[in-house]
Amino acid sequence: EADIYQTPRYLVIGTGKKITLECSQTMGHDKMYWYQQDPGMELHLIHYSYGVNSTEKGDLSSESTVSRIRTEHFPLTLESARPSHTSQYLCASKNPNTEAFFGQGTRLTVV
Amino acid sequence: QKEVEQNSGPLSVPEGAIASLNCTYSDRGSQSFFWYRQYSGKSPELIMSIYSNGDKEDGRFTAQLNKASQYVSLLIRDSQPSDSATYLCAVLGSSNTGKLIFGQGTTLQVKP
Repeated sequence: EADIYQTPRYLVIGTGKKITLECSQTMGHDKMYWYQQDPGMELHLIHYSYGVNSTEKGDLSSESTVSRIRTEHFPLTLESARPSHTSQYLCASKNPNTEAFFGQGTRLTVV
Repeated sequence: QKEVEQNSGPLSVPEGAIASLNCTYSDRGSQSFFWYRQYSGKSPELIMSIYSNGDKEDGRFTAQLNKASQYVSLLIRDSQPSDSATYLCAVLGSSNTGKLIFGQGTTLQVKP
């Protein structure tokens, strides 16, 4: 069983609020990822990190930001949530010789 | 052109048949390839990883890689209704940053 955790699992929040989605892993993996996925649609890479203090934007433009101050922690922040941000957000981590392990996801609804 | 492409399907096969899922990728320097299965509302879970040309078998699953053609496939033998899910192909980019890109997924329906 993968040791990667996302909180909260579900979040309903009003427009304009600042939110932070948490992702933590206890496997010591260098690489971590955030994907956005609408129901029945594909996974879009929005941010990734290849180590502490190293982050990159993914292929899908996103208004969110990330930080990687500690190896085990990769939070995603939305400064001002909008209904268009409603989606599922999946966090994953991997090492060079392993597959990517996924957290259970955060289902975000902005009303 | 998408970095990783799959036929979105749905692919429908009868129970007991072989299901064949295909994926192409654009980064010629990619070295690591993965097949994930995703049930509706759940996170992706790994089925197979493959790193070198040829076939890799694990139970009812066989992954095939052809780097010259930039093509990776997954065969599922003796398909079961419980195999009905979306199958995602993932490719690790050639840069040192470890960019991991997923295809759009192929929906497989196994009919009893």
